[in-house]
Amino acid sequence: KAGVTQTPRYLIKTRGQQVTLSCSPISGHRSVSWYQQTPGQGLQFLFEYFSETQRNKGNFPGRFSGRQFSNSRSEMNVSTLELGDSALYLCASSAPGDEKLFFGSGTQLSVL
Amino acid sequence: KQEVTQIPAALSVPEGENLVLNCSFTDSAIYNLQWFRQDPGKGLTSLLLIQSSQREQTSGRLNASLDKSSGRSTLYIAASQPGDSATYLCAVEDDYKLSFGAGTTVTVRA
Repeated sequence: KAGVTQTPRYLIKTRGQQVTLSCSPISGHRSVSWYQQTPGQGLQFLFEYFSETQRNKGNFPGRFSGRQFSNSRSEMNVSTLELGDSALYLCASSAPGDEKLFFGSGTQLSVL
Repeated sequence: KQEVTQIPAALSVPEGENLVLNCSFTDSAIYNLQWFRQDPGKGLTSLLLIQSSQREQTSGRLNASLDKSSGRSTLYIAASQPGDSATYLCAVEDDYKLSFGAGTTVTVRA
């Protein structure tokens, strides 16, 4: 059974650009959540989706957005990138009725 | 706002010694508590999940306890091995959201 797949693995952007990250959950998983990890702030919750509906959102500016498709795949978008957006972005999925989270390897975003 | 604290921040032990990692949280209204392991540059691997109604969970050499009323959890790793070297994170879940501690970085010396 394939794990959670995140693409791309690495990304380099410049300030002001926008970026889209992709996450394919484990087959059968319908919940997808996103986290930002930085050395200074640790792991912080971005948002969670279930069956294309956002159920919760963290304390991030509106430049951070996400969506989930009918096949449970999810994307997150960051517009007008800032240097402080440099981070490892992790996505996780879980099966219906199971709280155990399975994480992908992440996308390492560098903003120059 | 939920605050999760992990002590110590780092730990170095000789192989074979037992490990004790601590986690505390400020709001006891949690759905569950999970312990994860993270290797450098990688994602997180779930180790143990304790439901709010449970007191402990065990898996192999790992045992985690939960005292929800005092806002504490402890992860015990018996007979540590060099392969246990990693960062261990605890997280509490509430309203489909995990709040993470900063982690304890463990080094097991051969």
